[in-house]
Amino acid sequence: GAVVSQHPSRVICKSGTSVKIECRSLDFQATTMFWYRQFPKQSLMLMATSNEGSKATYEQGVEKDKFLINHASLTLSTLTVTSAHPEDSSFYICSASYSRGGTTSYEQYFGPGTRLTVT
Amino acid sequence: GQQVMQIPQYQHVQEGEDFTTYCNSSTTLSNIQWYKQRPGGHPVFLIQLVKSGEVKKQKRLTFQFGEAKKNSSLHITATQTTDVGTYFCAGPDGTSYGKLTFGQGTILTVHP
Repeated sequence: GAVVSQHPSRVICKSGTSVKIECRSLDFQATTMFWYRQFPKQSLMLMATSNEGSKATYEQGVEKDKFLINHASLTLSTLTVTSAHPEDSSFYICSASYSRGGTTSYEQYFGPGTRLTVT
Repeated sequence: GQQVMQIPQYQHVQEGEDFTTYCNSSTTLSNIQWYKQRPGGHPVFLIQLVKSGEVKKQKRLTFQFGEAKKNSSLHITATQTTDVGTYFCAGPDGTSYGKLTFGQGTILTVHP
């Protein structure tokens, strides 16, 4: 259980174009989804927290107009990198958490990640 | 803000040797979690510790939560090449539901 999928796994795009990344919880309803960025051999950098039906909460320093997040349902969140530039090239990972029977569950289940290369 | 520090950053061991990574939080945690990320992969949830002084085992892995609930450790006995990867600890940041603060991770290399 607790499987999260992410698509695409790899994408190469030209500078100035936009890229959409989808994150789906396959066998549970995700009350909250998170979007991270990870540089090689570094830790996870949280970009934003996404709650179904409400606006995402962005971390300090993350441009909300550049990284558009939509959490349309309890199983789907999307991240759109708008007007991508080479410095946006990175590994983007989503994760999802859920509550069960009123019990707080903090463990996060991660998608396989999307490697974005902007040329 | 809350900080979660993890040491060492890198650890190289010979197969069969033991390995330990340590995690320290600047604040008391309601729980602490451990994740493993294989090279080229994504983080995978290993375990969550909740109680003060709690010790949990998963085969060769032993996880410990400190009495003050501010530190934790992961110990691997007799490492194998399959243990290679980055081990992260993470704790709730206390400000937002479900949001975690991750440590920097310990990159484990096991030499056969």
